[in-house]
Amino acid sequence: KAGVTQTPRYLIKTRGQQVTLSCSPISGHRSVSWYQQTPGQGLQFLFEYFSETQRNKGNFPGRFSGRQFSNSRSEMNVSTLELGDSALYLCASSRSTSGQETQYFGPGTRLLVL
Amino acid sequence: AQSVTQPDIHITVSEGASLELRCNYSYGATPYLFWYVQSPGQGLQLLLKYFSGDTLVQGIKGFEAEFKRSQSSFNLRKPSVHWSDAAEYFCAVGGNYGGSQGNLIFGKGTKLSVKP
Repeated sequence: KAGVTQTPRYLIKTRGQQVTLSCSPISGHRSVSWYQQTPGQGLQFLFEYFSETQRNKGNFPGRFSGRQFSNSRSEMNVSTLELGDSALYLCASSRSTSGQETQYFGPGTRLLVL
Repeated sequence: AQSVTQPDIHITVSEGASLELRCNYSYGATPYLFWYVQSPGQGLQLLLKYFSGDTLVQGIKGFEAEFKRSQSSFNLRKPSVHWSDAAEYFCAVGGNYGGSQGNLIFGKGTKLSVKP
């Protein structure tokens, strides 16, 4: 079974631009969560989608948004990029939204904002 | 507030020596506990998880962890470390507390270096 895939793997943007990252979950998984990883803040939860609905959201500004499609694929968008948005963005999928479900992570998209 | 503490930022052990990585958590309900490993430039790989039952859980790559509710701990152990174990290790807690389903709370990680 194929794992979680994320595209692109690397991205360079400049301040003020916007970016869209994509995540394809494991087949049969309906929940997708996004995390931001930085050296200073560590791993922080961005949001979770299940059945095309945002179920949970972390403490990030409204510049960070996401969506999920009917095939469970998910995208996250960051508008008006800031230098501090440089990070590794990880996507994780699980079968459902229960806290007891294991989340399986993709390789991440490394975003550099100049 | 829910939180995970990994008190050791960096640990160095000799190859063949035993390893214990510490993890303490604070959670308002029954915690579901996880250990993940991350190699440089990679995503997170699940090592093991605890949901209920036997408090000693076995994982991949020879790792095990013990859940101690009285100490709010979930320490990771390995009897004999291999050079390939050098990576960063993250403890995480999840559950159904306060509508937090699907949200894993991670510790800051422990970087493991292995001496030959």
